[in-house]
Amino acid sequence: DAGITQSPRHKVTETGTPVTLRCHQTENHRYMYWYRQDPGHGLRLIHYSYGVKDTDKGEVSDGYSVSRSKTEDFLLTLESATSSQTSVYFCATRGLSGTDTQYFGPGTRLTVL
Amino acid sequence: AQSVTQLDSHVSVSEGTPVLLRCNYSSSYSPSLFWYVQHPNKGLQLLLKYTSAATLVKGINGFEAEFKKSETSFHLTKPSAHMSDAAEYFCVVSERYGGTYKYIFGTGTRLKVLA
Repeated sequence: DAGITQSPRHKVTETGTPVTLRCHQTENHRYMYWYRQDPGHGLRLIHYSYGVKDTDKGEVSDGYSVSRSKTEDFLLTLESATSSQTSVYFCATRGLSGTDTQYFGPGTRLTVL
Repeated sequence: AQSVTQLDSHVSVSEGTPVLLRCNYSSSYSPSLFWYVQHPNKGLQLLLKYTSAATLVKGINGFEAEFKKSETSFHLTKPSAHMSDAAEYFCVVSERYGGTYKYIFGTGTRLKVLA
């Protein structure tokens, strides 16, 4: 357990509103990831970070932005939520250099009406 | 590019019988391979990991997986299923990408255990 928390755990919002999800980790891991999980698709990478202020896009980044101003926090923002962004969102971190094991947070269930 | 195929989206077994969850991968390099388990409304928990040290990898809760390079497979097995094994299982391959790693997930296999 890499001490990863996500907030909120559940959120219902309306189309067109901005939404920010927060991932917080206590292990000083350098790498952090945001995924979305949808039935039949497994987990798909939205964005990732390889250090403070260093981020890059994943395979499903359209409509999402991220920020990382501190090692422990990685924020995912939906600028204008759409119903297609209804999903479960997972944050993950990667451990010490030399190991590629990922550790996952408990997830955030987002519903966009 | 790497990819992962989980050959069964659903598997049902009776309690006490063996479990086999199948995973095939494609990779241009020596991959790291993982199995994760997700219980309902929970996050993903690491079951086991292959990183080229040994082809037979033992994980938590009695699970193990064998890396077969010639077959590009990494199937997950357990000799005797327990009711608590009912969950979704994900096979994952990692790929070095620049200075970091990216992870390719299979679409998951939902395991049902019958009493």
